[in-house]
Amino acid sequence: GQQVMQIPQYQHVQEGEDFTTYCNSSTTLSNIQWYKQRPGGHPVFLIQLVKSGEVKKQKRLTFQFGEAKKNSSLHITATQTTDVGTYFCAGRGSGTYKYIFGTGTRLKVLA
Amino acid sequence: DAEITQSPRHKITETGRQVTLACHQTWNHNNMFWYRQDLGHGLRLIHYSYGVQDTNKGEVSDGYSVSRSNTEDLPLTLESAASSQTSVYFCASSDPGTSGSGGELFFGEGSRLTVL
Repeated sequence: GQQVMQIPQYQHVQEGEDFTTYCNSSTTLSNIQWYKQRPGGHPVFLIQLVKSGEVKKQKRLTFQFGEAKKNSSLHITATQTTDVGTYFCAGRGSGTYKYIFGTGTRLKVLA
Repeated sequence: DAEITQSPRHKITETGRQVTLACHQTWNHNNMFWYRQDLGHGLRLIHYSYGVQDTNKGEVSDGYSVSRSNTEDLPLTLESAASSQTSVYFCASSDPGTSGSGGELFFGEGSRLTVL
């Protein structure tokens, strides 16, 4: 079945440094979503990418969808302490509405 | 405001007991999902439903069941709780919308279950 891997599992950065998490699917995806989960909280939707090669920006966050629609990345420029949390990608295959989540990347930002 | 609520938020039970976790959404979404979250595994899909009377197995469905008798509710039942089912459980709903992309997932606050 469809599998979604995410690396790294953990990342500690100094405040102001950049951060990137990568997501790889075993199968071609129809679209991919990204979520953020604060410690003790629930996942919250950030963005959805649909087109091959698509790039979207939200302030300091840049999201990319690979040309083959099998991988994606989230890049945060100049991290802040408010960026702390776990970032998940979630991929959807064709012919279904279910999303398979990656294992997540836990980000710690040191002030 | 529309919302999705889970209950109980915390539960401790014993091995072998039947447990039901409730999920209620007022978004009027057709799609509902149950995930479990464990360290190192992320969120794994247990069961999902695309509408009333529709249920489907996810990646880790063994030992769990769901039923969908109305649009608002998707209760998750552990038939005979096992220690391996100690986890945080999240319910989510979505509206596929006109684009057919599945829509964003709206998550509940989670239910922390401990099986002793």
